[in-house]
Amino acid sequence: GAVVSQHPSRVICKSGTSVKIECRSLDFQATTMFWYRQFPKQSLMLMATSNEGSKATYEQGVEKDKFLINHASLTLSTLTVASAHPEDSSFYICSARGASGGLSYEQYFGPGTRLTVT
Amino acid sequence: AQRVTQPEKLLSVFKGAPVELKCNYSYSGSPELFWYVQYSRQRLQLLLRHISRESIKGFTADLNKGETSFHLKKPFAQEEDSAMYYCALTNYQLIWGAGTKLIIKP
Repeated sequence: GAVVSQHPSRVICKSGTSVKIECRSLDFQATTMFWYRQFPKQSLMLMATSNEGSKATYEQGVEKDKFLINHASLTLSTLTVASAHPEDSSFYICSARGASGGLSYEQYFGPGTRLTVT
Repeated sequence: AQRVTQPEKLLSVFKGAPVELKCNYSYSGSPELFWYVQYSRQRLQLLLRHISRESIKGFTADLNKGETSFHLKKPFAQEEDSAMYYCALTNYQLIWGAGTKLIIKP
């Protein structure tokens, strides 16, 4: 089956530093990757959609200068939290959709990255 | 507006009892609906999609366009079914319900 990995799984950083999270599709080419944020005891919130080779599309209320997304290849997308602050602490999850298309819009999820900003 | 509603935040049933997790949607067009499950300390994974009309781990879900529902059902709950369940709708991006935490009591 399709596998998506994320690195790191957990990161603790000081306020003001930047953190990069990688999302990789291991055995398929992901034309589209999605970045979600999950607050405690809440549902997933879509932050942005990225297509390989083009700029990401951000959801309303998500700061593009704060959450920098790069989808440079068909197997890698990165999310950089710039100048992180404690309110950015959250669980970040990526998902990937393959190039085969078809009738299903199934997405494959990464295991998530727990970011704690102190 | 496109929306997915899971009215129950928490559902607790005894082992062996039937389970029904409710999901209602609002969508103009022909939706594609999914149920995702997240077990404790594991990643989110697909449980069911309506186009497959399959039964996974004893769970089934039928799309009812008249009632705009996609309820998830299992006739006899097992303790290992305890998890967070999310209903989702897609027309490209996934639109998520708020999730229902299912607890199966022994």
